[in-house]
Formats: sequence, structure tokens, C-alpha cells
Amino acid sequence: AQSVAQPEDQVNVAEGNPLTVKCTYSVSGNPYLFWYVQYPNRGLQFLLKYITGDNLVKGSYGFEAEFNKSQTSFHLKKPSALVSDSALYFCAVRDGGSSNTGKLIFGQGTTLQVKP
Amino acid sequence: DAGVIQSPRHEVTEMGQEVTLRCKPISGHDYLFWYRQTMMRGLELLIYFNNNVPIDDSGMPEDRFSAKMPNASFSTLKIQPSEPRDSAVYFCASSFGVGHTDTQYFGPGTRLTVL
Repeated sequence: AQSVAQPEDQVNVAEGNPLTVKCTYSVSGNPYLFWYVQYPNRGLQFLLKYITGDNLVKGSYGFEAEFNKSQTSFHLKKPSALVSDSALYFCAVRDGGSSNTGKLIFGQGTTLQVKP
Repeated sequence: DAGVIQSPRHEVTEMGQEVTLRCKPISGHDYLFWYRQTMMRGLELLIYFNNNVPIDDSGMPEDRFSAKMPNASFSTLKIQPSEPRDSAVYFCASSFGVGHTDTQYFGPGTRLTVL
């Protein structure tokens, strides 16, 4: 069965510092990995995804994520955090080996708090 | 495009009443998903459709929940009768594509409170 883990409920960083939000996954086939962000009282917004190719994926708002197959991880990163990046971040995975083409499994979410 | 549209944005009702949530997916998208978000359980997939046909409803919590998609531009999620434990934010999402790579786009959600 496919699963996603976000080991940190909350990440605190100072504005201008680099940030990392961690995600690990478990699938039986090839993983298709996604990051979404949710601002208060809003729906989830797509940030980036990894399907194949370069392990470093660049997305919206200066975010990037690195796919590491050996560690089954897909950590979200940004070189310099902004206060406006404060939000709830979700990692999600879809199993490429599954016949179920639609189902996306989400992690529990990590709250990112960027302080001025 | 206006994105995924959901209505109402907020719904407050009393236990036992019927609740209907509505969703208009992005035009041209052929997949539609209904999710529920709570503090305790996080984000859960309830059901999804492909070309208006329900594909997987294994996440629907019980028979009180039902979902329909009468055409490509409209879907409803109905709870009858509603209970306080149904209080949550319900999201609709849509995507285009036949493979695993398609990105889901979410609506703003409906915050349901059952008293």
C-alpha cells in the first residue's frame, strides 16, 4: 500500500534562512510525488511535482524539491524563506505501479512558520 | 479560467438535516475528486469520478454520504442525515489526463458545521 509521512508537525525558520520540509514515501511501483500549500481558509495550491527525470524539481514561489530514491524522500526546500511562506504544506504520492490511476495519498501536513 | 468552484463556502445546519455540497470543475477536466479535511484525520479522499463515472468510493464513510456527477461540469456531495461528526472542510478537486502525472486543482472548500 502507498503511504506518505511528514515527520514534522511544525517547522520554524527565520526570514531569510533556508527552509526544508521533510517528506518520505512508500509505494510498490514508481512514485509520482507532489507538494501542495494551503493558506488559511483556502484550498490546496499546487507547488511542484516529480514524475521522472532530474531529481531536483523547481516549482512555484521559489520552492524546489529533491527526489531521493534510495532514501525514499522528497523534501521541499527554499534557499531564503519569506514571512509570506508561512502556511500548511502537504506532500502527496501516487503509485505508478498501481492500476488505480486517480488516487493521490496525502501526508498529514507540516505547518511552516517563518518569523521576521 | 475561474478554477474549481464550490458552493456554499460555509454551511451551518442542525443534526438530522440534509446537506448538499456543490462543485463545478475546471472546464475540460475529466477527473473530479471529493476530499474531507479534519484536524483529527487530515485530508481524506472520499470519492472520485472519471468522465462522470464513479471510480472509487471506498473513502465514503457510510451510507449517509452519496455523490453524483450528472454531467461534466457539475457534481454534488450529499449527506443525509447529517451528524455533528460530519463537521469538516470539504474540498472538490479536478484534473485532466489519463495517467499518473496529472495535477489536481482544488477548490476553496466548503466549511460544514453540524450542530
